[in-house]
Amino acid sequence: AQKITQTQPGMFVQEKEAVTLDCTYDTSDPSYGLFWYKQPSSGEMIFLIYQGSYDQQNATEGRYSLNFQKARKSANLVISASQLGDSAMYFCAMRDHTGRRALTFGSGTRLQVQP
Amino acid sequence: DGGITQSPKYLFRKEGQNVTLSCEQNLNHDAMYWYRQDPGQGLRLIYYSQIVNDFQKGDIAEGYSVSREKKESFPLTVTSAQKNPTAFYLCASSIVGLENTGELFFGEGSRLTVL
Repeated sequence: AQKITQTQPGMFVQEKEAVTLDCTYDTSDPSYGLFWYKQPSSGEMIFLIYQGSYDQQNATEGRYSLNFQKARKSANLVISASQLGDSAMYFCAMRDHTGRRALTFGSGTRLQVQP
Repeated sequence: DGGITQSPKYLFRKEGQNVTLSCEQNLNHDAMYWYRQDPGQGLRLIYYSQIVNDFQKGDIAEGYSVSREKKESFPLTVTSAQKNPTAFYLCASSIVGLENTGELFFGEGSRLTVL
């Protein structure tokens, strides 16, 4: 069974600094996808970035990058130049390419950006 | 604009009553999903459907029921058998196909409170 672990319940970062949110995963499927979503206090889920298990390069989307270390089964999210609007819950999720194909989510990390 | 509409946004229910949460999408996606989120927690899969007239139980299906009579609609009924129904419910949809990442597109959520 798939499992996603986010070990940081909360993180603080100063505005304009970079921050890394940790995510480790466990799956027996050789083909899978890893996602990060942002959830502001309003509750909506905002897709940030995707990494496929066979992608050779780490994914990047603007200020977001994914530090993918396949051997360690980790997929950490790096946010550069933090902004006050980045304060939110962040969820790591995984989808395997067999079976149910629904995303399995981690427990989340609450990020607070301080001025 | 294309998207997912959930209604109602807030719902109050007395113990022992069934309640149905609506989810409609105009993205022409084949797959739809229901997740439950408790305060400070990640998302847990209740039910999912990859095609009309077919659906599967997720990890916490007990006390819930769904139907998928139309591609656009995937209503969730919270029955009186659900022991602790107070939660935030999120509906999502995705494209089906190995060539796609499987990214989920979410509605804005429905917050159910049992009095």
